[in-house]
This record gives sequence, C-alpha cells and structure tokens, in this order.
Amino acid sequence: GNSVTQMEGPVTLSEEAFLTINCTYTATGYPSLFWYVQYPGEGLQLLLKATKADDKGSNKGFEATYRKETTSFHLEKGSVQVSDSAVYFCALIPYSGGYNKLIFGAGTRLAVHP
Amino acid sequence: GAVVSQHPSRVICKSGTSVKIECRSLDFQATTMFWYRQFPKKSLMLMATSNEGSKATYEQGVEKDKFLINHASLTLSTLTVTSAHPEDSSFYICSASPDSSRGYTFGSGTRLTVV
Repeated sequence: GNSVTQMEGPVTLSEEAFLTINCTYTATGYPSLFWYVQYPGEGLQLLLKATKADDKGSNKGFEATYRKETTSFHLEKGSVQVSDSAVYFCALIPYSGGYNKLIFGAGTRLAVHP
Repeated sequence: GAVVSQHPSRVICKSGTSVKIECRSLDFQATTMFWYRQFPKKSLMLMATSNEGSKATYEQGVEKDKFLINHASLTLSTLTVTSAHPEDSSFYICSASPDSSRGYTFGSGTRLTVV
C-alpha cells in the first residue's frame, strides 16, 4: 500500500540551527511528494513539492530532494527562525490516473527558540 | 491562484443541533473536494471525497448520516454535522485542486466546539 513515515517530534531547535525532518514513503509507481506546513490554528499550506526522482523542491529557505533509491523526501533548512515554528507534514499522491487522495505522514512539530 | 475558502472559521453549537461548513473554490472549478478532520496534535484524517453532482465517497469508519456532504456546484461543497455531540468537536479542513499533480490547496479550517 501507500504510506508516509515521518520522524516523531517535537523537534526543538535554537534560532539559526540546521533543520532536518526525515520522511520516507512507500508507494507503487511514481508518486508526487509534498511538504505542507500548518501554523497554529490554521489550515495547511503547501511548502514545496517534487514530482519525479531527483527533483528538488524549495521554498522560503526549505529544501527537499525526491530520492527514489532511498524512497525519501527529507526536509532541510540551513538556518531556522522562530517564525518557522509549526507542524510539518510530508505527503504523497500516488498516481494511478484521475484524482488521487493526499496521503499524509503523522506530522512533525517544530519549536524554534530565540 | 487555486484559492480555497472555508467558512465559518469557528463555530460553537449546542448538543443535538446541526452545523454546516462551507468550502468554496474561489478561482477554479473543483469536481472533487476532500474533507478532513484533525484531532489535537494529530495528523489529518480523510473523512470523505466530495464529488460534484454525485454522492460523496466516505472513508471506512466515517458515519454517512452523521456527516452529510453536498457538492451541488463546481465551486461549493458543504459538510453538515448532524445532531452534533461533544465528541464531534474537532478541526475540520477541506481541500481541492484544479490539477492534482500540482498538489492540493487547503481551506483555513473550521474549529467546531459542541457544548
């Protein structure tokens, strides 16, 4: 089946620290991969995406590379800010034609302290 | 582009009453919309797929009669929580997309509190 596994949180970092949130997936075929961010009390926002192997998605200093050989899509940021504190969800859409559901990981809460 | 609007953002209702939540695609047509429920500090649980002009497809374990979904137009889906009880209190979020390969856009969510 299709699934997404994320590292458990919470992840607590000091401002300007390096961030990695691990994400691995299981899927048949060639899924598209996404990172979404949820700030407190809000809905989800698309942070970045990658649709094929070796693609790198990037946005707001965050990056993730679609690694087919390791079935991974780890999220990284070189220097986090307090404003990055949020919950981050890794997700995939397994393409088999037509609309497909987003399959989410459990989410990883990030807390950045000054 | 690809803006999804959800209303209301917060609602408090009494036990036994019904609550309607609206999800609108503002700048695109959506034949399919998705409804999620999120428990505190938990991931999103897909409740149902809303299909324009036809019946919604519910995920296993979701009560169809409790959570009524209507997708009467290409820009509007509604979720009605019928005979609400305190255990229905949760954060409900909808999503849609003009092209699923680009990912889905989410509404801002509705915080439902049943007292």
